[in-house]
Amino acid sequence: GAGVSQSPSNKVTEKGKDVELRCDPISGHTALYWYRQSLGQGLEFLIYFQGNSAPDKSGLPSDRFSAERTGGSVSTLTIQRTQQEDSAVYLCASSLVGLANDEQYFGPGTRLTVT
Amino acid sequence: AQSVTQLGSHVSVSEGALVLLRCNYSSSVPPYLFWYVQYPNQGLQLLLKYTSAATLVKGINGFEAEFKKSETSFHLTKPSAHMSDAAEYFCAVSADFGNEKLTFGTGTRLTIIP
Repeated sequence: GAGVSQSPSNKVTEKGKDVELRCDPISGHTALYWYRQSLGQGLEFLIYFQGNSAPDKSGLPSDRFSAERTGGSVSTLTIQRTQQEDSAVYLCASSLVGLANDEQYFGPGTRLTVT
Repeated sequence: AQSVTQLGSHVSVSEGALVLLRCNYSSSVPPYLFWYVQYPNQGLQLLLKYTSAATLVKGINGFEAEFKKSETSFHLTKPSAHMSDAAEYFCAVSADFGNEKLTFGTGTRLTIIP
């Protein structure tokens, strides 16, 4: 079946612009996660959704970062006023109900480059 | 806070040799430990998951990991390396039951020497 998909696969933007990254989870998966993978920082957790609610936003690095999920499905990660340090690969994952009974299935990522 | 340490950012082994990738967790026994593999330009794929049901966990592609509480370790092994095993490997931990956040190690890049 279809896995987690993310779009765009690559995004180049100028410093100060806003960007939106999209994640389509596996159908029926209630849990959705965003991570960031950057050189020197490794993989960092950003936010977790259960349905449309985000019980854990602890990893969002600043108030320039926000995320929403609608219809218990698609999620969008928005970065406002992008900075060069935002350059990274943004990974989305989904899980049927959560770690207790399932694993996190990762998408291929969106590579963001801020110039 | 829970964390994981992966010793060796780069490991090279000969084809057919034992693969050993090291992972140590930081504090109290975590509910879940994971090993993920990332092939070039691909997302992460789960190799195996520890859930306390068994200390020796078998995963895909011939990999296994042993949970050792006394050593706070969860090292990944494979008896005989194959060229297709060349990838980056990540150890990850969840802090508590009900905590969905995964904390990842910095990764180990495995190179297979023909």
